[in-house]
Amino acid sequence: QQPVQSPQAVILREGEDAVINCSSSKALYSVHWYRQKHGEAPVFLMILLKGGEQKGHEKISASFNEKKQQSSLYLTASQLSYSGTYFCGTPLGSNTGKLIFGQGTTLQVKP
Amino acid sequence: NAGVTQTPKFQVLKTGQSMTLQCAQDMNHEYMSWYRQDPGMGLRLIHYSVGAGITDQGEVPNGYNVSRSTTEDFPLRLLSAAPSQTSVYFCASSPGAGTAFFGQGTRLTVV
Repeated sequence: QQPVQSPQAVILREGEDAVINCSSSKALYSVHWYRQKHGEAPVFLMILLKGGEQKGHEKISASFNEKKQQSSLYLTASQLSYSGTYFCGTPLGSNTGKLIFGQGTTLQVKP
Repeated sequence: NAGVTQTPKFQVLKTGQSMTLQCAQDMNHEYMSWYRQDPGMGLRLIHYSVGAGITDQGEVPNGYNVSRSTTEDFPLRLLSAAPSQTSVYFCASSPGAGTAFFGQGTRLTVV
């Protein structure tokens, strides 16, 4: 029931773009995106609450295709500070307290 | 504003010992959750609570107990520690459908 993320790992040079995908075999009520730096706690990036919604934070944006049960995170002109592990999360059923996460995508940005 | 506070930060247990991981939040959030994080597995939900007196199982509840007597506190109990419970444990709280705030984690080793 865990969402599935792809790719598992990405290595980029500064300034390059990346896309991280999140898909589910179950209906997606909403999609949360988090980033975790090594040795730290996950930190919230954004939440998409309805199909077709797109959001952005600086050069990081996301889309949510409710029909395809997919979400994608777009990192544009990556910076060193973007390095970390990215997780998508989705509530299991309509109970939003039961948030489950994908296995994570590790992003490494090199100078 | 302390946010979500977990104690201890590190713990080593012998197989068969019991212990309680503490979690407290000062944001008056209804929802609280416990996750474990293992390499390649992402964040897996152990137990969660939608309010004082209400708890439910997550994806991997076996070997763990929880209770929620107050809004602020959500302790996780390991009844009889096993090496398979070696992991990093995160507590999170959220005001319902919104952002989940994570504690700094407890690194547990069972020998």
